[in-house]
Amino acid sequence: QVQLQESGPGLVKPSETLSLTCAVSGYSISSGYYWGWIRQPPGKGLEWIGSIYHSGSTYYNPSLKSRVTISVDTSKNQFSLKLSSVTAADTAVYYCARQPMSRGSGFLDYWGQGTLVTVSS
Amino acid sequence: AIQLTQSPSSLSASVGDRVTITCRASQGISSALAWYQQKPGKAPKLLIYDASSLESGVPSRFSGSGSGTDFTLTISSLQPEDFATYYCQQFNSYPSFGGGTKVEIK
Repeated sequence: QVQLQESGPGLVKPSETLSLTCAVSGYSISSGYYWGWIRQPPGKGLEWIGSIYHSGSTYYNPSLKSRVTISVDTSKNQFSLKLSSVTAADTAVYYCARQPMSRGSGFLDYWGQGTLVTVSS
Repeated sequence: AIQLTQSPSSLSASVGDRVTITCRASQGISSALAWYQQKPGKAPKLLIYDASSLESGVPSRFSGSGSGTDFTLTISSLQPEDFATYYCQQFNSYPSFGGGTKVEIK
């Protein structure tokens, strides 16, 4: 059974960098597929942030591309998100998920439980 | 950017009702569409992918149809556990989601 678990600080100060990690179990990232990040502001809808392949190839939402970096560590079977220069508008539940396709865009079949990140001083 | 418009944004229905939710894309996306169910405090759950393929383990009362710009999610007989918010998502270009449809108890 594929499982994903997000971890990272729940509180980030404005203008700083949000950093999250997604640990994957039950499936080797090196086996293939893209791995993505999605967020959901409280009480609002879903926004796809970006995805990464085990080779390190990335695909980002153009609206966030200038602030987003997604990286992968196949030795630890995990991938990470960094979002720079955060503001209150970046307050959201952040999810990691598997995109079972061999291209950067795809649907999402396994999701982490999500982690709330609040941007506040 | 491809925009997805879901309708209605909310609906009230009774157990046993047939429910249909629509999703319209701002441009053609072939069959690159998925549907998700989300309950409060939980991650979305994949129901349908490629517009009409049922995800493994999802009850057969859920079905999807459509291609191009117009898509529907149908629940043939609403069950108590189906009261939730439903989202469509396209993956023809970089992924985007519809605004959601909240299905409430009548």
